[in-house]
Amino acid sequence: DGGITQSPKYLFRKEGQNVTLSCEQNLNHDAMYWYRQDPGQGLRLIYYSQIVNDFQKGDIAEGYSVSREKKESFPLTVTSAQKNPTAFYLCASSGDGVSNQPQHFGDGTRLSIL
Amino acid sequence: DQQVKQNSPSLSVQEGRISILNCDYTNSMFDYFLWYKKYPAEGPTFLISISSIKDKNEDGRFTVFLNKSAKHLSLHIVPSQPGDSAVYFCAASGSGGSNYKLTFGKGTLLTVNP
Repeated sequence: DGGITQSPKYLFRKEGQNVTLSCEQNLNHDAMYWYRQDPGQGLRLIYYSQIVNDFQKGDIAEGYSVSREKKESFPLTVTSAQKNPTAFYLCASSGDGVSNQPQHFGDGTRLSIL
Repeated sequence: DQQVKQNSPSLSVQEGRISILNCDYTNSMFDYFLWYKKYPAEGPTFLISISSIKDKNEDGRFTVFLNKSAKHLSLHIVPSQPGDSAVYFCAASGSGGSNYKLTFGKGTLLTVNP
C-alpha cells in the first residue's frame, strides 16, 4: 500500500544530543513537510520541501535541520539547539507544493527528553 | 495571532444525530480549506476540502460549508457514528505560491455517544 512511514514511533533523547527522525513516502509526491504538535495545540510547520535538493523554513525552524536528497525521503534532525524538543512530530506529503491538494500524514514520532 | 480558530475544544453528540464542527479564519488570502480527523497517537487523516470558489462540498456523510463573507466554515457529519469520535482539525492555505503552508486550528474533540 502507498503511504508515509515515520520511524521510530517513540524516541528518547538525552540533553545535548542530536536525533534524526525518518520519513519515507512511496506516493511519488513531490512535496514533503514536517510539523510539530504540542498538547492542546494545532500543527505547526517546521520545514517543507517542494522538490529534491530544495527545502524552506517554516514557522518554527530554529533548532531543526532537514535534507532532501531523494524524492521519497525527508529526514528531520532535532539538534541540541532546540530548547524544547519534547513533542509529537508529523511528516506529510502532497503531490506538489503549489496547487490545491491535501497533504497526507504519517503516524508520527513522539520525541521525549530523558 | 491565531489565523485559524476552532472555538469549541469539545463537542458531544448522540449516535445518529448531526455533528457540526465550526472554524473561523482571519486571513482573507486563504482560499483552500481542509478538515482532518485525528485519533490519539496517529497522524491526521484527510477528510474533505473546499476551494473558495465553492460554498459547499459533500462526500458521503461529510459536508463542508464555506461562508467567505463571515470567514467561517463548518463540517457537518450526518449521521454521526461512534467511530467518528476523534479530534477534528480545520486547516487553511493561501494563494500566491504559498499553498505549501497549511495553517491549523487547535482542534475540536468530538465524542459520539452510542
